[in-house]
Amino acid sequence: QSVLTQPPSASGTPGQRVTISCSGTSSNIGSNTVSWYQQLPGTAPNLLMYSNYQRPSGVPDRFSGSKSGTSASLAISGLQSEDEADYYCAAWDDSLNGVVFGGGTKLTVL
Amino acid sequence: EVQLVESGGGLVKPGGSLRLSCAASGFAFSTYNMNWVRQAPGKGLEWVSSISGSSIYIYYAGSVKGRFTISRDNAQNSLYLQMNSLRAEDTAVYYCARGQASFVTTDYWGQGTTVTVSS
Repeated sequence: QSVLTQPPSASGTPGQRVTISCSGTSSNIGSNTVSWYQQLPGTAPNLLMYSNYQRPSGVPDRFSGSKSGTSASLAISGLQSEDEADYYCAAWDDSLNGVVFGGGTKLTVL
Repeated sequence: EVQLVESGGGLVKPGGSLRLSCAASGFAFSTYNMNWVRQAPGKGLEWVSSISGSSIYIYYAGSVKGRFTISRDNAQNSLYLQMNSLRAEDTAVYYCARGQASFVTTDYWGQGTTVTVSS
């Protein structure tokens, strides 16, 4: 069972906007920034978002992040078939003194 | 170009040991935090351990504390993970990943090395 809670699956049609949530506690998301990772099938994870809403260079602005209290969200607008992947949120946990990941959300583009 | 290349994975019996290595190139290795993250077959990502650039700060997941040891050799641009008392639940792909100022933000990942613990 993961410390951060994500829905196991999400879906949308091309062009739609999809949101993936990540729920934590005061010891992780509530007091630290959140990063998001995209993992395409059979590949290593790729940094998608850091410091809650900052996009690394090369990440399209269709991807956006936000955080409020002990929850964070990743939004993908203008959904494309190549967005089909697993998405993970992560944060530092002050109580565990380590990094915690969400269980991952499998995004399907219908 | 930043490159991280893991090696050392393989098949090991429960209770055995294995040492993973990660060869880094294309960046000033000693100035970056480094992490090990693993992924069990069909499962999600699990953080294993982190080490700061100067090795002053070292952190472990509770599931590996006391059994695994992270280390680095900045002269050799290498990261290591010594894994002892291995269990079946340690079976996973182990990724080496470069961290930013925050250990949470890992901007480059290796291709992974597979560890299988089985009798």
